[in-house]
Amino acid sequence: ELKVEQNPLFLSMQEGKNYTIYCNYSTTSDRLYWYRQDPGKSLESLFVLLSNGAVKQEGRLMASLDTKARLSTLHITAAVHDLSATYFCAVGYNNNDMRFGAGTRLTVKP
Amino acid sequence: SQTIHQWPATLVQPVGSPLSLECTVEGTSNPNLYWYRQAAGRGLQLLFYSVGIGQISSEVPQNLSASRPQDRQFILSSKKLLLSDSGFYLCAWRVTGGNTIYFGEGSWLTVV
Repeated sequence: ELKVEQNPLFLSMQEGKNYTIYCNYSTTSDRLYWYRQDPGKSLESLFVLLSNGAVKQEGRLMASLDTKARLSTLHITAAVHDLSATYFCAVGYNNNDMRFGAGTRLTVKP
Repeated sequence: SQTIHQWPATLVQPVGSPLSLECTVEGTSNPNLYWYRQAAGRGLQLLFYSVGIGQISSEVPQNLSASRPQDRQFILSSKKLLLSDSGFYLCAWRVTGGNTIYFGEGSWLTVV
């Protein structure tokens, strides 16, 4: 069964710093998702990664995928307060399912 | 453009009462539809998915059920709620053959 491990679970950063969130998964998959969730809100799609070596960037966030290592990373550059949220990775499972990591609760402090 | 609507946004129900959460998608045809549940402070768990009218697949045995009476309508129901049914319920959709799954606004259910 597919297991998805995300770390760290909690991350407190200062504005302007860089950091990386890691997502490891246990079995082969053809798609990897990153979502953002603000407190009490739904999930917002950030990235979909479909192939080994895929890299996507949006603003201060950059996601990459290494299918051989079964690892995806979400890199945060020069963090700002607006990035404070919980970030989830999710791994495609069968044709119609995603298995989610536990989430990383990011707090960016001034 | 496609949109997804989910209601009610919040719900407080007594144990043993029935439940009905509704979700509709606009701007697309024959979407794949999903119901997820998120327990407090945790990730999401897939409950049901549907690839077409009347086609429902259940991922987790529980006292919940789902129905798809129309192409773009997905309903989550229960005849008798349990305390453990409390959580954040999210409807989601995906274009058939597409990769990205988009989530609705969510429904907060508290069973008391």
